[in-house]
Amino acid sequence: NAGVMQNPRHLVRRRGQEARLRCSPMKGHSHVYWYRQLPEEGLKFMVYLQKENIIDESGMPKERFSAEFPKEGPSILRIQQVVRGDSAAYFCASSPRPSGGPSGANVLTFGAGSRLTVL
Amino acid sequence: GNSVTQMEGPVTLSEEAFLTINCTYTATGYPSLFWYVQYPGEGLQLLLKATKADDKGSNKGFEATYRKETTSFHLEKGSVQVSDSAVYFCALSDNYGQNFVFGPGTRLSVLP
Repeated sequence: NAGVMQNPRHLVRRRGQEARLRCSPMKGHSHVYWYRQLPEEGLKFMVYLQKENIIDESGMPKERFSAEFPKEGPSILRIQQVVRGDSAAYFCASSPRPSGGPSGANVLTFGAGSRLTVL
Repeated sequence: GNSVTQMEGPVTLSEEAFLTINCTYTATGYPSLFWYVQYPGEGLQLLLKATKADDKGSNKGFEATYRKETTSFHLEKGSVQVSDSAVYFCALSDNYGQNFVFGPGTRLSVLP
């Protein structure tokens, strides 16, 4: 019963290149969240997706960043033309489909993260 | 919007000391409350949760009680160990188990 799988665990890119981070949610989970964590800082929400839909992308930078969660395959966080300030740990989390009413039972399960270093 | 505030760290304690990490929240409706822990180089792991007022979440000697009157969810442990050294995040989700909001995290260092 694998948990949330993220890859690559470590990624090094030069300025101007593209970074693609992948996340496979836990089995049975249909909702994916992406967070960014800068060194020695807290988690910053980026985007919340379900299969083929972006639910909330209010935390995504307006340019260069995009995310998808296709019907088949993992969720992808894509960063185009990376800059040094993009160096961070990117965490994916998944949850089951929320119920239609007050639930309180939903829990986020996190992956181990992908650490991006931009040279 | 919903928000979570935590005491600033870092917190440094000696082994077997008592731990409190304060957490307060602002939310509409009936949020669920969580504590997550992040060990060095790893992702976040759920430590405990509480889904309604006066619920107490507990795990591995850690406890937190959902206090609606004070909008708080303080984390406590009676006797910390070196292995508890980590970053602790308070978090909430809304009525419908969505829209998770995390606090900034509190780094705990426990010295032998």
